[in-house]
Amino acid sequence: EVQLVESGGGLVQPGGSLRLSCAASGFTFSGYWMTWVRQAPGKGLEWVASIKEDGSEKYYVDSVEGRFTISRDNAKKSLSLQMNSLRGEDTAVYHCARGGGSPDCWGRGTLVTVSS
Amino acid sequence: EIVLTQSPATLSLSPGERATLSCRASLSISSHLAWYQQKPGQAPRLLIYDASNRATGFPARFSGSGSGTDFTLTISSLEPEDFAVYYCQQRSNWPRTFGQGTKVEIK
Repeated sequence: EVQLVESGGGLVQPGGSLRLSCAASGFTFSGYWMTWVRQAPGKGLEWVASIKEDGSEKYYVDSVEGRFTISRDNAKKSLSLQMNSLRGEDTAVYHCARGGGSPDCWGRGTLVTVSS
Repeated sequence: EIVLTQSPATLSLSPGERATLSCRASLSISSHLAWYQQKPGQAPRLLIYDASNRATGFPARFSGSGSGTDFTLTISSLEPEDFAVYYCQQRSNWPRTFGQGTKVEIK
């Protein structure tokens, strides 16, 4: 069974940093693009970033470019999102998802709250 | 960035009725469109990919159509478990983008 389990969310002050992780199991992690998608409370879905199977290509939504970094460790079957210079508008549930086109499996997400 | 516009924002229907949801892209995306279903407190689930291919686990009452800029998700006869929010999403260009969602609610 494919499983994606996010961790690392929490409360952080504006300007602070947080690192999210996603543990993957049940599939060949190194054979898939991986993606982060976020959802602000009561709002719609927003694609955040994607990374190629070998990490050689990365894409970001403009609003996080230069502040967020997506990375992966294929040996550990793990996806990460380093988030710096956090803003109130980054408050959301962050989902890890399999695939870079139309992700077909999603984790339940981890909540990031940016507030003083 | 490709903008996806979904309509209507809310669809109020009764079980057994037909639901027709629309998604319009700001420029042509060929057939590179997906639909997701999301229920409260749950992660989204891939429903349709590449405009018309039904994902695993979804029954035949769900169908997708369209290409270029105009796409439609049809639910032929609503079941109680189909009341949810539906999002379209394009994979034609980076950044990937989602529509704002259509909520299908019980009338």
